[in-house]
Amino acid sequence: LAKTTQPISMDSYEGQEVNITCSHNNIATNDYITWYQQFPSQGPRFIIQGYKTKVTNEVASLFIPADRKSSTLSLPRVSLSDTAVYYCLVALDTGRRALTFGSGTRLQVQP
Amino acid sequence: ETGVTQTPRHLVMGMTNKKSLKCEQHLGHNAMYWYKQSAKKPLELMFVYSLEERVENNSVPSRFSPECPNSSHLFLHLHTLQPEDSALYLCASSQDWGGGVGGYIDTQYFGPGTRLTVL
Repeated sequence: LAKTTQPISMDSYEGQEVNITCSHNNIATNDYITWYQQFPSQGPRFIIQGYKTKVTNEVASLFIPADRKSSTLSLPRVSLSDTAVYYCLVALDTGRRALTFGSGTRLQVQP
Repeated sequence: ETGVTQTPRHLVMGMTNKKSLKCEQHLGHNAMYWYKQSAKKPLELMFVYSLEERVENNSVPSRFSPECPNSSHLFLHLHTLQPEDSALYLCASSQDWGGGVGGYIDTQYFGPGTRLTVL
């Protein structure tokens, strides 16, 4: 089963670029990588999803190396409102298509 | 977002009470989920419904009983809960269960959650 490992927490300042790396050594050939954001006492919110190389949307970029054993979520010029927990997910390789949320990375953005 | 709504937002109940959590999605999705999030713990997937049929039950105790009367509504019936069941209960929906080809997973849209306290 694919399992993800992320840093527990990160600190940054407003205006900086933040990169959060997730390890998923056992990712299956067909699995996509998905990132969610969660604010306190709210449900997670989808940020970005990718399979390989680079994906970019209006919120973030996702970098996936050729071996796909890790991925990096890049948040450009963070603001205080980006303070949240960020989850990296990979589908369980069982055909059940279940999503397992790990512990996530708690990002604290300082003024 | 108002795509997925949950009621009530807060619930306090005794261990002998029976209550129900309600979730409604206005997105035309075919799959709905219940998650539990305890303090400082990852989200735990509890149940998955696809086209009103339960397709996942992740070893959830029988004191939690889900119901999906149609593709827009999902309930979680609670009875004889324990204090350790206190948590944020989140409902989510996605277009389909299983997504598209291979390991692609449909985006899940979460509701705001119900904060449950069991006394």
